[in-house]
Amino acid sequence: EDQVTQSPEALRLQEGESSSLNCSYTVSGLRGLFWYRQDPGKGPEFLFTLYSAGEEKEKERLKATLTKKESFLHITAPKPEDSATYLCAVRMNRDDKIIFGKGTRLHILP
Amino acid sequence: EAGVVQSPRYKIIEKKQPVAFWCNPISGHNTLYWYLQNLGQGPELLIRYENEEAVDDSQLPKDRFSAERLKGVDSTLKIQPAELGDSAVYLCASSLSSTSTDTQYFGPGTRLTVL
Repeated sequence: EDQVTQSPEALRLQEGESSSLNCSYTVSGLRGLFWYRQDPGKGPEFLFTLYSAGEEKEKERLKATLTKKESFLHITAPKPEDSATYLCAVRMNRDDKIIFGKGTRLHILP
Repeated sequence: EAGVVQSPRYKIIEKKQPVAFWCNPISGHNTLYWYLQNLGQGPELLIRYENEEAVDDSQLPKDRFSAERLKGVDSTLKIQPAELGDSAVYLCASSLSSTSTDTQYFGPGTRLTVL
């Protein structure tokens, strides 16, 4: 069964405390993996797309990496404004379907 | 450039009543998606349009849900009759096309409460 699992479900960090969010997937053929940020009451906001194992992308304090089974979103020296839910989604070769994970709720304490 | 526009932002109805949501995608975007998002969950695809054609509606509960995209631009999602379990946020997204290189841009969503 095609699945996308994100961990942890929730994470509380002190400002400046770096950490990583995990997205593991079991799908039959990966076309692309996406990271989104979602603030309360808003739609998901696109962050990154990764296509192949070994690929990395960075944006400000965020860095996304991809292996054959999982992706990590690394947050370096986070600030309170980085608090949000981070969603991972996988697009499959078969049927071109997109599956989202449940997200990780990140809270950065000042 | 304007983003994806959805209306209404909030809707409260009684069960068995009909409800409709409207979406205006980003100009020039050929692909339009409707998602359902329950609290604490990720979005789940309901239907995907390529221009006017619904190319993936396998997850749309067709007994009560319907959608249309006239002229390949705006889209409407309808529920008739609504049930208590339909309470959720309904998200619309659009992309230039449906290739893996195209980013999906999401609207703010419509929060539906069924009483």
